[in-house]
Amino acid sequence: NAGVMQNPRHLVRRRGQEARLRCSPMKGHSHVYWYRQLPEEGLKFMVYLQKENIIDESGMPKERFSAEFPKEGPSILRIQQVVRGDSAAYFCASSPDRDRGTYGYTFGSGTRLTVV
Amino acid sequence: AQTVTQSQPEMSVQEAETVTLSCTYDTSESDYYLFWYKQPPSRQMILVIRQEAYKQQNATENRFSVNFQKAAKSFSLKISDSQLGDAAMYFCAYKVGGTSYGKLTFGQGTILTVHP
Repeated sequence: NAGVMQNPRHLVRRRGQEARLRCSPMKGHSHVYWYRQLPEEGLKFMVYLQKENIIDESGMPKERFSAEFPKEGPSILRIQQVVRGDSAAYFCASSPDRDRGTYGYTFGSGTRLTVV
Repeated sequence: AQTVTQSQPEMSVQEAETVTLSCTYDTSESDYYLFWYKQPPSRQMILVIRQEAYKQQNATENRFSVNFQKAAKSFSLKISDSQLGDAAMYFCAYKVGGTSYGKLTFGQGTILTVHP
């Protein structure tokens, strides 16, 4: 079991470009969570998805950010028209149906987005 | 809304000594879970220990133990016989229990330095 896989590990984008971050949950996990970590800060919840459904996006900025978790393939966090303030580490975590994160998630290693 | 506070931005300890990291939280819920995560320079989020609020017994995992004071809403982490590999950022996290999904609320983190 390869764990939660995130790619790319590092991503550099110029202001105004689009960033696409991918997350493949652990095998058998159908719940995916995205978190953002700004420099010198803790992780902030962004969005919670199950297959083909967004369950809670209360932490997502209202504009430019979107997430999906299709029936097939990885979950995608998409940031359109990136700005310098989007520079951060973005983490994905997953949990199985029977657990719902009660025993703590399995986190990926994160994608560090740098906007230049 | 639930909040988690880590009042120690940085802590240091000598190898083989004991250190305690502090965490307080605010919630109106009676059923919840608390976690400590370790984030080394690799950025990987590693679950160290978890505590269920309805259990009075403090959780222990090898050299790691917690002091859970539910009335005071305090959840400190004690690391005994500190090792160089314990050096990392440590995050305290909270999750509502019951049947709700697994959104985690994190504290700001404490950087732990271990001196040889």
